[in-house]
Amino acid sequence: EDQVTQSPEALRLQEGESSSLNCSYTVSGLRGLFWYRQDPGKGPEFLFTLYSAGEEKEKERLKATLTKKESFLHITAPKPEDSATYLCAVQGINDYKLSFGAGTTVTVRA
Amino acid sequence: GAVVSQHPSRVICKSGTSVKIECRSLDFQATTMFWYRQFPKKSLMLMATSNEGSKATYEQGVEKDKFLINHASLTLSTLTVTSAHPEDSSFYICSAVETSGNGDTQYFGPGTRLTVL
Repeated sequence: EDQVTQSPEALRLQEGESSSLNCSYTVSGLRGLFWYRQDPGKGPEFLFTLYSAGEEKEKERLKATLTKKESFLHITAPKPEDSATYLCAVQGINDYKLSFGAGTTVTVRA
Repeated sequence: GAVVSQHPSRVICKSGTSVKIECRSLDFQATTMFWYRQFPKKSLMLMATSNEGSKATYEQGVEKDKFLINHASLTLSTLTVTSAHPEDSSFYICSAVETSGNGDTQYFGPGTRLTVL
C-alpha cells in the first residue's frame, strides 16, 4: 500500500524566512508525485508534478525536488499570501488514484 | 485552463432527504473523475472513482447505495447522497483527470459543504 508522510505538520514563518517542507513516500512503482496547495474551505490547487528522481520544478517562490524516497517543497522568501496547507500525493503505476499525505500548514507572518 | 467546477458550493438539508452534487470539467474532457470527502483539519479521503460510461468503483467502507455516482458524459459526474443523516455532513470535493503529453493530472473542484440537520 502506498504511504505518504509529510513533515512538519505545521510551520510558522516570518515573511522572507525561507524554509522547506518534506514529503516521504513509499510506492510500488511511482508514476508521479504531486504537490497541491489548499486554502481553508477550498479545493486543492495543483502546483507541480514530478516524475523521476533528480527532477526539479519551480513556480514563483516555490521549488519542488524529488529523490527516490522523498520530495521537498522549498519556499523562498515567503509572503503572507503563501500561507496555506500544502499537500503531497503519490500516484502509482497501476491507476490514477492519488495517495495523500496529511499536509503541512504554513503560516507566514508579515 | 484545467478548471473544474462543483455545484452547489454549499447545501443544507433535512435528515432523510437526498442531495445531488455536480462536478464538471469546464475546459477538458475527463474519462475519470474522483470523489473525496474531507473532515476538518484532515487530509482528503478517497470515496470512489467515477468512470465515464461505466459503474463507479468504491473504496472499502464506502456504501455504494448511499453515495450514488453517475458519470454520464466526459465533462460531468454527479454524487447523490441518499437519505442523508447528520453524520454525512462534510466537505465533498471532486477531481477530474486531464490527460496530456506531460502525463495525467488531477484537477480539483472548489468543494461542496454539506450540512445535514
